Amino acid sequence: AQTVTQSQPEMSVQEAETVTLSCTYDTSESDYYLFWYKQPPSRQMILVIRQEAYKQQNATENRFSVNFQKAAKSFSLKISDSQLGDAAMYFCAYRSARGDMRFGAGTRLTVKP
Amino acid sequence: DSGVTQTPKHLITATGQRVTLRCSPRSGDLSVYWYQQSLDQGLQFLIQYYNGEERAKGNILERFSAQQFPDLHSELNLSSLELGDSALYFCASSATTVLTGELFFGEGSRLTVL
Repeated sequence: AQTVTQSQPEMSVQEAETVTLSCTYDTSESDYYLFWYKQPPSRQMILVIRQEAYKQQNATENRFSVNFQKAAKSFSLKISDSQLGDAAMYFCAYRSARGDMRFGAGTRLTVKP
Repeated sequence: DSGVTQTPKHLITATGQRVTLRCSPRSGDLSVYWYQQSLDQGLQFLIQYYNGEERAKGNILERFSAQQFPDLHSELNLSSLELGDSALYFCASSATTVLTGELFFGEGSRLTVL
């Protein structure tokens, strides 16, 4: 079974600075998708960014970008120009060929003013 | 608003009881997923349905069962409840089972077992 590991339970960043959240995964599949979801205090799950495994180019969405290293099975999220509203739990997720999605344990991000 | 509707939003019950959580997916979505999130934990995948059929199963206890009905809504049944079953239960939906689709999540049903 695929596993997703987020080794940083908590991270902190100063407002306007850059922070990188780490994620590794284990799989024997060659085709899959990776996602980062954000969960603010409201508990709503919000998609931040997605990455197709077959694409070498790293995905970017405004201030959010990923560093996808397929051979290393690593998928980190970089948040640039951090804002107070970025404070949340961030979950890395792996979607398999069957369609089910598995999540990591999450990283709680604090943004300091 | 994701378009996924979950009811009830909050539920308080006693140990040993049985509850049913309901989920209506986004219009047109054929796949429904159930997740359990205990306090300050990640999301544990329970089960996935596609157009009425079970497609994948995760760490779902035998005391729990689910189904997806012809109108595509889904229900998660939790029985013989224990204190440890207290959690936020999320339902999510997607258009198909292909890899590209993100999952759209409901707001969750918070279950408290006393």
